[in-house]
Amino acid sequence: ETGVTQSPTHLIKTRGQQVTLRCSSQSGHNTVSWYQQALGQGPQFIFQYYREEENGRGNFPPRFSGLQFPNYSSELNVNALELDDSALYLCASSAVSLAGEYNEQFFGPGTRLTVL
Amino acid sequence: GQQLNQSPQSMFIQEGEDVSMNCTSSSIFNTWLWYKQDPGEGPVLLIALYKAGELTSNGRLTAQFGITRKDSFLNISASIPSDVGIYFCAGAQETSGSRLTFGEGTQLTVNP
Repeated sequence: ETGVTQSPTHLIKTRGQQVTLRCSSQSGHNTVSWYQQALGQGPQFIFQYYREEENGRGNFPPRFSGLQFPNYSSELNVNALELDDSALYLCASSAVSLAGEYNEQFFGPGTRLTVL
Repeated sequence: GQQLNQSPQSMFIQEGEDVSMNCTSSSIFNTWLWYKQDPGEGPVLLIALYKAGELTSNGRLTAQFGITRKDSFLNISASIPSDVGIYFCAGAQETSGSRLTFGEGTQLTVNP
């Protein structure tokens, strides 16, 4: 069984640029969530994708967008990068997401994004 | 964004000592979780709690889901050097499925 994988591991961008981060979900999982973890803080929920549609969003501006593909892998896109976007971006997959039901999420190792 | 209040922020203990950390919230959560994160890795689930008042153990780890559904604690007994890392509490609310709200973490250092 393959766990959650993310690419790239590290990335350096400059302010104003755009970035795409990728996530492959664990085998059998159809739900992917993205989290932003600033240095010294806990992860913050960005959004979740289920059946290729956004299924819940945290307090992040529209320049944070995502996609989920038929194989359940996912991308996180961030436009017009700002210095404060520097963080570890974590992807987590789970089996199914229904309101009122928690299913265990398995986290990938993250992508470390540095914005200069 | 909303976060859980986790304390203490950091702990320095001797190997063999017991450790306790807790998490509180102004909101009700119907699931409480405790994760450990090592450098360069994503969080790994240690214990999941699904019912108010529930007390669950996983080896040397014990966690409880507060009766008000607004708090939880994690105890680690007889700490060992590999317990070093950052521990996070996280909660899931009834209306948000798998969306997690995290605490700010407790950095644990264990001196041999």
